[in-house]
Amino acid sequence: QQQVKQSPQSLIVQKGGISIINCAYENTAFDYFPWYQQFPGKGPALLIAIRPDVSEKKEGRFTISFNKSAKQFSLHIMDSQPGDSATYFCAASRNNAGNMLTFGGGTRLMVKP
Amino acid sequence: DAGVIQSPRHEVTEMGQEVTLRCKPISGHDYLFWYRQTMMRGLELLIYFNNNVPIDDSGMPEDRFSAKMPNASFSTLKIQPSEPRDSAVYFCASRGRGQPQHFGDGTRLSIL
Repeated sequence: QQQVKQSPQSLIVQKGGISIINCAYENTAFDYFPWYQQFPGKGPALLIAIRPDVSEKKEGRFTISFNKSAKQFSLHIMDSQPGDSATYFCAASRNNAGNMLTFGGGTRLMVKP
Repeated sequence: DAGVIQSPRHEVTEMGQEVTLRCKPISGHDYLFWYRQTMMRGLELLIYFNNNVPIDDSGMPEDRFSAKMPNASFSTLKIQPSEPRDSAVYFCASRGRGQPQHFGDGTRLSIL
């Protein structure tokens, strides 16, 4: 019930391409969906977040698309750059403003020059 | 803003020893979280505090694990006795009201 499933586990994209990472959840009570970016040796850092009252949120090259009926959300990275190479985690939480986050398994992104 | 500060960054110890991980949250943040990250289980929430009070510890794996927050600027996660399966990266995070969680850079723990 609390699971968040993330795919793919790894992704290789050419510089300038679009990176797409998908997540699916089961618990319909989830109401906060953040994406975190993690570089080696560092903690996760919030990239962008969305709530289910909107279907899309864009910040610079990063866009979250949200499909409430399908219980799915995705991260799109436009014009991917080598500096975007990192591990990306989706997460979800319910009713408590982002406290008890349930994380997806992570996607290791490599952007080739 | 110094960010969330964790110490030590690396810890190697033998099975059976007591391990204490430390965290200093961002000043003014009233929520503090402890996570564990492993290849097998990913990133898991262990426990979180609000205003120094433990709110949910359902993620704490066993009685060998304990966490305290004696004041608003300090928290510890203790493992006693430690076991090899406790080897992981442990993260502390904090957040203020209406803000997202900010993570520290973690403690990499190896139990031999």
